[in-house]
Amino acid sequence: TQLLEQSPQFLSIQEGENLTVYCNSSSVFSSLQWYRQEPGEGPVLLVTVVTGGEVKKLKRLTFQFGDARKDSSLHITAAQPGDTGLYLCAGEGGNKLVFGAGTILRVKS
Amino acid sequence: DAGVTQSPTHLIKTRGQHVTLRCSPISGHKSVSWYQQVLGQGPQFIFQYYEKEERGRGNFPDRFSARQFPNYSSELNVNALLLGDSALYLCASSLGRGIQETQYFGPGTRLLVL
Repeated sequence: TQLLEQSPQFLSIQEGENLTVYCNSSSVFSSLQWYRQEPGEGPVLLVTVVTGGEVKKLKRLTFQFGDARKDSSLHITAAQPGDTGLYLCAGEGGNKLVFGAGTILRVKS
Repeated sequence: DAGVTQSPTHLIKTRGQHVTLRCSPISGHKSVSWYQQVLGQGPQFIFQYYEKEERGRGNFPDRFSARQFPNYSSELNVNALLLGDSALYLCASSLGRGIQETQYFGPGTRLLVL
């Protein structure tokens, strides 16, 4: 069974701080996706990383896929209250998406 | 264009009852997937339907079933509800069958089983 572990489970920071959330697995994934989910809504895709070692940037968000394609990280620079939400990583495995439990991020102004 | 729509938004049932949840994909999307998201956890894959045929099934009991209609909308049925079935049920649509296709999620149906 492919599992994705996310850490930390919960993060509460002040506006302007930097943060990193992690997504780790013992399994290799052909690709890994990051989503953000806000209360009362479904997850929204932020990025897909495919190549080991790949780094993608989306404004203040930087996503990295591990060289062995087993882990990934999301770094947010100068967090803003609008970044508040549940961040989920999902790996493509066996023709289905396997999601981690998520990291709840709260950015206080 | 409208996104993925799901109905109802909220539902309260009692143990042993049956429930039907509905999903309308984005226009032009032929694939619909269903996920269960229990509070505090990530979504867990239940089914994928493409061109009206089941293309994938997660580790859920036979009480869970689904179907896709000619207009690509879909229903998820759950029989003999248990308390543990209380969750947010998410529907996602994509253009093609492959899991690498971008999936667009609806807002979900929140089911409470008492």
